This record gives sequence, C-alpha cells and structure tokens, in this order.
Amino acid sequence: GAGVSQSPSNKVTEKGKDVELRCDPISGHTALYWYRQSLGQGLEFLIYFQGNSAPDKSGLPSDRFSAERTGGSVSTLTIQRTQQEDSAVYLCASSYTSSGELFFGEGSRLTVL
Amino acid sequence: AQSVTQLDSHVSVSEGTPVLLRCNYSSSYSPSLFWYVQHPNKGLQLLLKYTSAATLVKGINGFEAEFKKSETSFHLTKPSAHMSDAAEYFCVVSIPSGTYKYIFGTGTRLKVLA
Repeated sequence: GAGVSQSPSNKVTEKGKDVELRCDPISGHTALYWYRQSLGQGLEFLIYFQGNSAPDKSGLPSDRFSAERTGGSVSTLTIQRTQQEDSAVYLCASSYTSSGELFFGEGSRLTVL
Repeated sequence: AQSVTQLDSHVSVSEGTPVLLRCNYSSSYSPSLFWYVQHPNKGLQLLLKYTSAATLVKGINGFEAEFKKSETSFHLTKPSAHMSDAAEYFCVVSIPSGTYKYIFGTGTRLKVLA
C-alpha cells in the first residue's frame, strides 16, 4: 500500500478480554515501531523491530503486552487480559532505515470498558 | 542521557501572525531532529527534519526550523499562521546509539484564532 495501514481503527472491548492490533508497514521498510498515545499525552515507545534482529521490547509496560512481526512485514500487537488503563491510541510507524523519517499509520483507538 | 523538551504545552496565535514552537534537546551525540504534526484523530506527519546538513531547514506548509547547536535548540517557526495549522506538534530526536530510538517531546497544541 501507499502508507502504513493499521487495523482496526477502533476497538471497544471488555476488561479481561484479549485484543490484537495489526500494522502493515510500507513495503521495503525494515524498521517498525509501536507507540502508545494516551489522552493528552505524548508518545510512549513500546517495541521496535529492525529486519531480522531480535526486537527491542524495552518499552512494553507489562507481560500482558507482546508483539511479533512475521516475515519482516506485518506486525501484530497483542494485549492480553485488557485493563481500563490500556485504553489509548496505538500508533505504528515504519522507516526505510533505522534513523530515517518515520511514517505513521492513523492508529488503532482501543477502549476498554 | 538523551531528552527533548517542548517548552510550551499550548500556544495560541491569531491567524496571520507568526508561529513559534520551542524545542530544546539534550544529546551526547550528533542528533537527527524532526518536527511532526498530528491533526485530530490522525497519525503523525513529518513537517521537516535536520540531519547535519544546513542548519536552517524548510519543511512543508511554510514551516521551518533552525538547528542551533550552541543553544541545543530546534525551534519551529512559520511567518503567518493559518487556521489549518491548528494541531499538535511534536519535536523528536533520533539518537544513533545501539538500538535506534526516537525520543518524542510531550507535544505543543497550537490553537489558531480567527
């Protein structure tokens, strides 16, 4: 596609349920990032994938959060046993190199009731 | 430690007047610096970037920023604000150390008054 695609754009779930958020980066981009943006807050780094290297998971807030990137392309962020404090917009970004411009998707807005 | 500070959380200007959004950074390395804009319910879009070439960087929509190493600043300016400039602006620093990370400022919300 022409840009970074994220789905779903909106997700409402009940506390305790698992959710999966998907990111389809720009073709050829080797770097992929997940960020969390809570209401009125800046961007919180979650996880970073670079090519075939082991991901940098240092930003994941708890072991309920995990992410994978299959075939160096599509990435899925999984939140298990969701809590109300997980409500936020989850942004995915990709980059051709690990130091270049980030291209962002429009985000997945998660609401946990 | 690397950090980026946006000095104003909110800025209000009248349409047609200049815009100044302030950003200071701290880095042990030669950083790459970016400004991104986020309109409501949208992702972030790159306005401009500095990567050790010219210190005055011109971006889209009439925005520009000047890298001042002595002041560790990268302020964003525009000569004349337009209503469509109302958005959240993020100053970002990229550090070339180990795992690349982009450090985001907390954002400045720009309000443009008619």
